[in-house]
Amino acid sequence: EIVLTQSPGTLSLSPGERVTLSCRASQTLSDNYLAWYQQKPGQAPRLLIYGASSRATGIPDRFSGSGSGTDFTLTISRLEPEDFAVYYCQRYGSSPPVTFGGGTKVETK
Amino acid sequence: QVQLVQSGAEVKKPGASVKVSCKASGYTFTDYFMHWVRQAPGQGLEWMGRINPNVGGTNYAQKFQDRVSMTRDTSISTAYMELSSLRSDDTALYYCAKSGGLGELVDWGQGTLVTVSS
Repeated sequence: EIVLTQSPGTLSLSPGERVTLSCRASQTLSDNYLAWYQQKPGQAPRLLIYGASSRATGIPDRFSGSGSGTDFTLTISRLEPEDFAVYYCQRYGSSPPVTFGGGTKVETK
Repeated sequence: QVQLVQSGAEVKKPGASVKVSCKASGYTFTDYFMHWVRQAPGQGLEWMGRINPNVGGTNYAQKFQDRVSMTRDTSISTAYMELSSLRSDDTALYYCAKSGGLGELVDWGQGTLVTVSS
C-alpha cells in the first residue's frame, strides 16, 4: 500500500504569504493520480487539485499543484484569510486502495 | 447541481452495527463510483472503500475488509455503508463522496456522526 507523508504538520503564516505544502509518496505514482483537498472546521473536504496539477472547478488560480513520481507540492501563491484550513493529499486511481496523507494545518501566525 | 444527502447521526453500543445512507441527486447515479471516507474526532481522513453503483462491485480497505459492507439501491439513487462489530474507536464522522473520472472525490455528503458508546 502506498503511504503518503505530508510536511510540515503545521504552518503558521500571515495573509499575503506564499505557501508550499509537500506530499511524498512511498512508491512512484507513475500515473500522477494525486489530488489535494482543503478542509475547514465543521465542513466536508473540498477538492482543489486532481491529476497532480489540474485545478478543480471553481478553484481560484492562486492554488496550484505540481510534482511527479514521489514528490508533489501544493502552492498557494498569496494566502487569503479564507485559506486557513487543513490540507490533505490523496492518491487515487483505478486500482485501489485510495490513501490520504496525514494533513497539513495552515494556521494564522 | 450534485447533492449527496446522508442519514442522521447515530449512537450505537459496542458490538452493534450501523448503516448509513447517502442519497444522490443531480447526476446519473450509476455513472460514478461512490466512496466512503471517515474522520475520527480531531484526526485525518481515512478511506474505507468504494462501490460501483452500476454493477454493485466493491473494493474495501484492508482494515475494514471483514466488517464493512457497501451496497446501493439504484431505484432511489442511494448508497449504503454498513459497519459491524462497532468499537469505541469507530466513533467518527462518516462521509460519502462521489468520484470523478478515476477516484478524485469531487462531491461530498454532509457527513454522518456515528458515536459508539456503552
